[in-house]
Amino acid sequence: DQQVKQNSPSLSVQEGRISILNCDYTNSMFDYFLWYKKYPAEGPTFLISISSIKDKNEDGRFTVFLNKSAKHLSLHIVPSQPGDSAVYFCAANNAGNMLTFGGGTRLMVKP
Amino acid sequence: KAGVTQTPRYLIKTRGQQVTLSCSPISGHRSVSWYQQTPGQGLQFLFEYFSETQRNKGNFPGRFSGRQFSNSRSEMNVSTLELGDSALYLCASSLDWARGYGYTFGSGTRLTVV
Repeated sequence: DQQVKQNSPSLSVQEGRISILNCDYTNSMFDYFLWYKKYPAEGPTFLISISSIKDKNEDGRFTVFLNKSAKHLSLHIVPSQPGDSAVYFCAANNAGNMLTFGGGTRLMVKP
Repeated sequence: KAGVTQTPRYLIKTRGQQVTLSCSPISGHRSVSWYQQTPGQGLQFLFEYFSETQRNKGNFPGRFSGRQFSNSRSEMNVSTLELGDSALYLCASSLDWARGYGYTFGSGTRLTVV
């Protein structure tokens, strides 16, 4: 039973446009959500996070939105750049250091 | 500062064998967590060690085990390997209760079971 799901395995966008990556979760105990970016042959790197007491968090070109009633979060990247091409994982946490990850979305930004 | 070091980077083993993977955390980090990444499954939590004690455990069979040494270096062991154990094994270190924010991942060990 996957508690965190990323239903789009891949996404292709044009450079300069907006990339929207989506993530759904089922466990209402999750209260902290994160996005990680992963390049091939490297470990995931932390991108941005959001607490359940907020509905939006912004960091430069990256914004994460949280809709608790829908148990849905999304990552917006504006504008998208070719260097953003990577696999993006959303993750959820309710305590400690254990993260529950989604299956990942491969983003391809075309020049 | 040096990152999280995982050794070896690649490993090929035969079904039924056992394997030991190593993770050296960032200096000063006392928590080490292990994750298994398989295609389409994302990263699945194996276990976390803090100060030589297992603090959390994921839903994996007993063939998967780990330990942590006094210098915070951690090892994970998989016994009686199965084909389905082929995966990228990642470790992440953090100071303490990082809630993922303070995680630093290593580059992983790619295990292939034939």
